Amino acid sequence: DAGVIQSPRHEVTEMGQEVTLRCKPISGHNSLFWYRQTMMRGLELLIYFNNNVPIDDSGMPEDRFSAKMPNASFSTLKIQPSEPRDSAVYFCASSFMSGAQGEQYFGPGTRLTVT
Amino acid sequence: QQQVKQSPQSLIVQKGGISIINCAYENTAFDYFPWYQQFPGKGPALLIAIRPDVSEKKEGRFTISFNKSAKQFSLHIMDSQPGDSATYFCAAQRDDKIIFGKGTRLHILP
Repeated sequence: DAGVIQSPRHEVTEMGQEVTLRCKPISGHNSLFWYRQTMMRGLELLIYFNNNVPIDDSGMPEDRFSAKMPNASFSTLKIQPSEPRDSAVYFCASSFMSGAQGEQYFGPGTRLTVT
Repeated sequence: QQQVKQSPQSLIVQKGGISIINCAYENTAFDYFPWYQQFPGKGPALLIAIRPDVSEKKEGRFTISFNKSAKQFSLHIMDSQPGDSATYFCAAQRDDKIIFGKGTRLHILP
């Protein structure tokens, strides 16, 4: 298995532009997570889905952020409009939940820079 | 409110020494405590984990010590090696949701 796949790996954009980050979870996993990592705040959970349904989006910073999971093999995190403070590494992770905690497998991340 | 507090922020250890990272949690609803390891340019990966009904778990050179009454747990890396240099995150988990500590940047001197 290729693991969790994220694209793009790096994104540089100007303030005000729309940014879309993409994630393909590991086949067979039924939970998907979006995290943001910064030096100041560490690794923060933004939102997670179970069986393609958003379960907890309490970590989404504001209305500029939105996430979708149209099917079991694809998810997007969109920021519109982007701001310099959104600069961070965004990770997608997936796991298989079967009644107990499942190990989360992280992708390589997307490094976002908003100028 | 920081639910999982981790210390130290950074740590330098001589090769062959013992690396110790400490964490404390607040919410007693957490029932699984994983440690993740992250190398530069990579995503975090599960290293070792423990449930609160166990006081210690050992896997090779890595040991978790767990104190349920104090709501504290720690990671010990015995015979630390340069290849262990990475950022380590403790975490507290219930069901699908994981709360991570802020991480400890570990550097092992050759």
